[in-house]
Amino acid sequence: GDSVTQMEGPVTLSEEAFLTINCTYTATGYPSLFWYVQYPGEGLQLLLKATKADDKGSNKGFEATYRKETTSFHLEKGSVQVSDSAVYFCALGTGNQFYFGTGTSLTVIP
Amino acid sequence: NAGVMQNPRHLVRRRGQEARLRCSPMKGHSHVYWYRQLPEEGLKFMVYLQKENIIDESGMPKERFSAEFPKEGPSILRIQQVVRGDSAAYFCASSPGLAGGLVFFYEQFFGPGTRLTVL
Repeated sequence: GDSVTQMEGPVTLSEEAFLTINCTYTATGYPSLFWYVQYPGEGLQLLLKATKADDKGSNKGFEATYRKETTSFHLEKGSVQVSDSAVYFCALGTGNQFYFGTGTSLTVIP
Repeated sequence: NAGVMQNPRHLVRRRGQEARLRCSPMKGHSHVYWYRQLPEEGLKFMVYLQKENIIDESGMPKERFSAEFPKEGPSILRIQQVVRGDSAAYFCASSPGLAGGLVFFYEQFFGPGTRLTVL
């Protein structure tokens, strides 16, 4: 069945470091791919999305490219800030179903 | 345009009581999803509903849990005879769903969650 596998955390980085959080997927159709972010005590917020192969989603300095050949949607940011500390979820959407990864906790230290 | 609303935000119940969680989707959204998040774990899908219909309840425990999305009013997730293992954050999400027969995937918009604590 469809699924998402996400890099395990927790991840701790210094401010201004480069961030990569890996995400790979398995899908039988043509899914859309998403990254959601969850700040402490809050619900999930959409960070970025891509709806077809080779699309690049971007928002707030974060980017992810939908790679069909490697079935991946890795999240990257060139220079993280303390305010980026949160849990990041990769998700796959197909039809009306969503599949979430287990989440990667990111802590950015000054 | 108000986002997805959930209430209560925090709910404390004793073992054996009933918990009732409410979710009002975004205006114009007819699809509702419920997820459970256990401490230090990811989101687990529970149930997907449209107005007056349960579309997919494959993630719902077979006993004590039920969900509805009536024609009028919010979606309700009901947990009867709660146990300590039910303590978790329960999130509701909504989407506008399919558009005019086109297979169109819409993102899901999440509410702030209800944190259930069972004593």
